Amino acid sequence: NAGVMQNPRHLVRRRGQEARLRCSPMKGHSHVYWYRQLPEEGLKFMVYLQKENIIDESGMPKERFSAEFPKEGPSILRIQQVVRGDSAAYFCASSPRQGALGNYGYTFGSGTRLTVV
Amino acid sequence: DQQVKQNSPSLSVQEGRISILNCDYTNSMFDYFLWYKKYPAEGPTFLISISSIKDKNEDGRFTVFLNKSAKHLSLHIVPSQPGDSAVYFCAASEDQAGTALIFGKGTTLSVSS
Repeated sequence: NAGVMQNPRHLVRRRGQEARLRCSPMKGHSHVYWYRQLPEEGLKFMVYLQKENIIDESGMPKERFSAEFPKEGPSILRIQQVVRGDSAAYFCASSPRQGALGNYGYTFGSGTRLTVV
Repeated sequence: DQQVKQNSPSLSVQEGRISILNCDYTNSMFDYFLWYKKYPAEGPTFLISISSIKDKNEDGRFTVFLNKSAKHLSLHIVPSQPGDSAVYFCAASEDQAGTALIFGKGTTLSVSS
């Protein structure tokens, strides 16, 4: 049973380009969460999605960032017109029911390290 | 404004001794606390959690203590092993499901043999 799969592991983009980060949840998990970790910081919640629905996007920057979790396929975090400050590790997590509690925490993927040059 | 604080960036202990990692929080609405462990180039892995209605939870070598009046929790690892060397994150949740966790900055634990 594969864990949460994120790709690519490393992504380099020039300023102004678009970054697309993909996350395939664990089998049987229909709840997906995206977190961002800036250098020397803890993880910060960005967005919570269920299939075809954004449930909580309170942590998403208002501009340039969007997320989706289609009926088929992985969840996608899209960052348009990237800037140097977007350089970070982006982690996806999944769970079989809503939230970390009672689910023994989320299961996190290994992350995508985005570098904007 | 950091709601979850891990004031020690690093901790070094010898194999076999106790490791104590500390975490303070400011939001009295936090209902649930979790500890995660993270190795380089990997995602965080859930370790142990505690509800605000308890003051202690044990799982093998790991024990978490919660002091609500002081808004403080700690993770004890006994005995410490070299494989425990990692970054440890404290996280908290104020919603009943733990949908959006609030993480501290982490403490890097080094266990020497």
